[in-house]
Amino acid sequence: RKEVEQDPGPFNVPEGATVAFNCTYSNSASQSFFWYRQDCRKEPKLLMSVYSSGNEDGRFTAQLNRASQYISLLIRDSKLSDSATYLCVVNGYALNFGKGTSLLVTP
Amino acid sequence: DGGITQSPKYLFRKEGQNVTLSCEQNLNHDAMYWYRQDPGQGLRLIYYSQIVNDFQKGDIAEGYSVSREKKESFPLTVTSAQKNPTAFYLCASSIRGESEQFFGPGTRLTVL
Repeated sequence: RKEVEQDPGPFNVPEGATVAFNCTYSNSASQSFFWYRQDCRKEPKLLMSVYSSGNEDGRFTAQLNRASQYISLLIRDSKLSDSATYLCVVNGYALNFGKGTSLLVTP
Repeated sequence: DGGITQSPKYLFRKEGQNVTLSCEQNLNHDAMYWYRQDPGQGLRLIYYSQIVNDFQKGDIAEGYSVSREKKESFPLTVTSAQKNPTAFYLCASSIRGESEQFFGPGTRLTVL
């Protein structure tokens, strides 16, 4: 079983829609979790850390479910500029990156 | 400006040649990492270093070598032993091993 698994998508949604991504991890001892965003042919950039109590940053909400070993990212009121690949990241001896979920927001 | 830099942005080499990719950070981070990304794929860890003068192999270290003589620098050498070196190479750093990582802009290596 891979350490971090994500649905690769693509998720095609209209502007203004709400979209959610899930990511499962295998190491129950993992302590730190992140969501990154990667635009085409660019480096990944930190979107947000994921805390046990859940956290929100504007239109973005991240949740952690330790019992089921998954993290989620919710994007409300999608914008065209949200189109990108979203990477789930879980700590290990180094951070373990999921392969990413592709999001395309259409007019 | 604080950040992490990689050079060059694009690099072309002939098959059989070794090539060294540069990675420098002025964030005072202890940990540094090298990843490889192939088209449509996720990031794969090549090498990482938690502290100066120490580094460990990642998942795909064969055909690569690194050094960590200075805290701010972590160069990666792609040797002729690497069977398929054409890829997008990303360097990252973090305050410590389990902290969030910050990436450089990457180097696109093409071996002809």
